[in-house]
Amino acid sequence: AQSVTQLDSQVPVFEEAPVELRCNYSSSVSVYLFWYVQYPNQGLQLLLKYLSGSTLVKGINGFEAEFNKSQTSFHLRKPSVHISDTAEYFCAVSEGSSASKIIFGSGTRLSIRP
Amino acid sequence: DTGVSQDPRHKITKRGQNVTFRCDPISEHNRLYWYRQTLGQGPEFLTYFQNEAQLEKSRLLSDRFSAERPKGSFSTLEIQRTEQGDSAMYLCASSKLAGRGDEQFFGPGTRLTVL
Repeated sequence: AQSVTQLDSQVPVFEEAPVELRCNYSSSVSVYLFWYVQYPNQGLQLLLKYLSGSTLVKGINGFEAEFNKSQTSFHLRKPSVHISDTAEYFCAVSEGSSASKIIFGSGTRLSIRP
Repeated sequence: DTGVSQDPRHKITKRGQNVTFRCDPISEHNRLYWYRQTLGQGPEFLTYFQNEAQLEKSRLLSDRFSAERPKGSFSTLEIQRTEQGDSAMYLCASSKLAGRGDEQFFGPGTRLTVL
């Protein structure tokens, strides 16, 4: 069965500092990996996804993530954060060729300090 | 695209009452999904449709929950005899069946409070 672990429930960072949000997954088959963002009082929005190919995936708003199959990780990074990045970030996985349901992690709250 | 819409946005009900939520997906999206999100947690999959066929249901979906998508367009999620534990945000998403890892677009959710 698939599962997703987000190792940090909260990450406080100063503005313009780099950030890494950690995500590990478990699955017995090939997976597709996602990062979604949920801004306060808004719906979930896709940041980026890994389907295949290059292990470094670039997304919107300057975010990128690296797929590491041997470590079953898909960490999200941004070199310099902005106040507007304050949000909840969810790592997620879907499995196999049908790629139907998505299994989400419990989320990481990113808070940016000025 | 006008995006995925959900109605109502908020619902307060008393324990034991029935509630129904509606989701309108992005037009021409074949797949429609329902998720539930409780405070401090990520969304949990409930069920999904491909056109009008309900293809998968989570074990979270007890007998009190039923979902329909009669014409392959909008969907309804009904909860009968609501319990306080049903209080959550109910999210709907849709996707266009385009192959691998098709992106799911999420609606704003319906927040249910059961008193």
